[in-house]
Amino acid sequence: DAKTTQPNSMESNEEEPVHLPCNHSTISGTDYIHWYRQLPSQGPEYVIHGLTSNVNNRMASLAIAEDRKSSTLILHRATLRDAAVYYCIQPNTGNQFYFGTGTSLTVIP
Amino acid sequence: ETGVTQSPTHLIKTRGQQVTLRCSSQSGHNTVSWYQQALGQGPQFIFQYYREEENGRGNFPPRFSGLQFPNYSSELNVNALELDDSALYLCASSLGLAFTDTQYFGPGTRLTVL
Repeated sequence: DAKTTQPNSMESNEEEPVHLPCNHSTISGTDYIHWYRQLPSQGPEYVIHGLTSNVNNRMASLAIAEDRKSSTLILHRATLRDAAVYYCIQPNTGNQFYFGTGTSLTVIP
Repeated sequence: ETGVTQSPTHLIKTRGQQVTLRCSSQSGHNTVSWYQQALGQGPQFIFQYYREEENGRGNFPPRFSGLQFPNYSSELNVNALELDDSALYLCASSLGLAFTDTQYFGPGTRLTVL
């Protein structure tokens, strides 16, 4: 079963920042948090991952709470192409992914 | 670096039949994972293969089986198809088993069971 919980859906206006929350209350010291997104009619694609400190890449930023029981994926300027389902994943041993239902992001022009 | 490919794209079968789905991983990736995604749901972990050995299985019955080959290809076999097996089947390859290894997903095979 998935170890994370996310809101089912969120909306954002185009070119505004988006903060997608995730709760992972059972996380332990060596567990990473991964974010993937799935655009319509495609397989999931990697967005970002992190362990303790905040992480940035060209797609997004990941802010991890000090107690590591929650994290937030930040899209700095949402575009229409960012409309997708975003999954927050806490992998099992062997980097096995148990997906939840994710957050469906709608970007409003 | 080529991406992960899957074949066929779409497939229609009838109840009770058997099906084989294929996946071609990225070269050098020792791990392949298979997922089932029903409409409106997140992908569900079926099983994982690492260097041609099954390395973990989700909550799926034994009629779901797999193979991984040395040439970075793999198969998902489903016997005695049921209507509920209708779904998008995704494979994902990664370098190894580390928590930092990115999984690269294929576009999926859409299976319809009538």
